[in-house]
Amino acid sequence: EDQVTQSPEALRLQEGESSSLNCSYTVSGLRGLFWYRQDPGKGPEFLFTLYSAGEEKEKERLKATLTKKESFLHITAPKPEDSATYLCAPSGGAQKLVFGQGTRLTINP
Amino acid sequence: SAVISQKPSRDICQRGTSLTIQCQVDSQVTMMFWYRQQPGQSLTLIATANQGSEATYESGFVIDKFPISRPNLTFSTLTVSNMSPEDSSIYLCSVGEGDNEQFFGPGTRLTVL
Repeated sequence: EDQVTQSPEALRLQEGESSSLNCSYTVSGLRGLFWYRQDPGKGPEFLFTLYSAGEEKEKERLKATLTKKESFLHITAPKPEDSATYLCAPSGGAQKLVFGQGTRLTINP
Repeated sequence: SAVISQKPSRDICQRGTSLTIQCQVDSQVTMMFWYRQQPGQSLTLIATANQGSEATYESGFVIDKFPISRPNLTFSTLTVSNMSPEDSSIYLCSVGEGDNEQFFGPGTRLTVL
């Protein structure tokens, strides 16, 4: 059975304090690993798709990396507007995403 | 990226009734998906809806409870039937092409009394 675990469940940082979020997964035949940002009361906002171990993608203060068992979302010098829940979702095919529980990130000014 | 709208954005319903949620996309897409996000939880896939074929439901979800229509390449509906308070959730549609990207609508917040 496909499984996804995100850690930590919640993370509180000071503005400018860099950190990383973890996504551990067990998916047969990984076709892609998706990262999303979700603000309260809104649908998930697409960030990245990673396809193979060693791949990295960047967007502003965010960088996602992928290994065979984990993905990391690195946040560099975050700002309060980066506060959100970050979701990872590996896909074993046919774009069926298996979502983790998410990491609730709070950036204090 | 595709622009996705959902109607209604929220509703409060009585138990035993049904609600149909609409999902409209601004471009033609092959694959559409329906997800449920229960309070404080992450997203769970309900079904995949491809135009011209019956929806494919995930384990734990059945057509009698969640009938889906996909009449064309830009539109889909999800009906939540014979509702109970346990159906109170956010329902989201999404669209994707290949294995590249999947975009979500804003969601429909359903409360069942």
